[in-house]
Amino acid sequence: AQKITQTQPGMFVQEKEAVTLDCTYDTSDQSYGLFWYKQPSSGEMIFLIYQGSYDEQNATEGRYSLNFQKARKSANLVISASQLGDSAMYFCAMRERYGGSYIPTFGRGTSLIVHP
Amino acid sequence: DTAVSQTPKYLVTQMGNDKSIKCEQNLGHDTMYWYKQDSKKFLKIMFSYNNKELIINETVPNRFSPKSPDKAHLNLHINSLELGDSAVYFCASSQERRKGIYTGELFFGEGSRLTVL
Repeated sequence: AQKITQTQPGMFVQEKEAVTLDCTYDTSDQSYGLFWYKQPSSGEMIFLIYQGSYDEQNATEGRYSLNFQKARKSANLVISASQLGDSAMYFCAMRERYGGSYIPTFGRGTSLIVHP
Repeated sequence: DTAVSQTPKYLVTQMGNDKSIKCEQNLGHDTMYWYKQDSKKFLKIMFSYNNKELIINETVPNRFSPKSPDKAHLNLHINSLELGDSAVYFCASSQERRKGIYTGELFFGEGSRLTVL
């Protein structure tokens, strides 16, 4: 059984500062993928960044980077230079092999509020 | 063009009714999913389906059933609706490999908000 844990129900950050959202995972698989999604108040789910378990480099996408520490089983999202529009729910997710398919499962999310 | 579309976006119905939510994807993906997001924003996988395998989360009541007429569609049927079924239901799709690069990211529909009275 796998598990995604996001220990921060809510986070606050000042505009233009960096913020780290925590995610730890538990899996017995060697091959897996880790994702972060953003859900603004409008409700849509927006893909931010992906990290494969065999990727040696940390993934980066613009202002988003994923701090992947495999031995610690953590995949923290770092948002640099926060903007007001970054205020949203953020979900960490992991895809694991299940039978012949990969099943993405989600953590409970972190609510991020960016202050001006 | 919308990549993953769900209809209806809002559904209000009485307890005991049967309802369906439709989902279509035009991305050519081979796997589709249904997720339930409850009032606390928790996203729970309900079903995963591709042309080879249907995977059902064992915690999902058998009142819920996915139906896939073809690779681009995965509809959700709910029988005998209960108050606890009120939630936002998200359809999603993915492709394990795209242009030779593994991403497997989920593409979500806009969600369907179901309210059971």
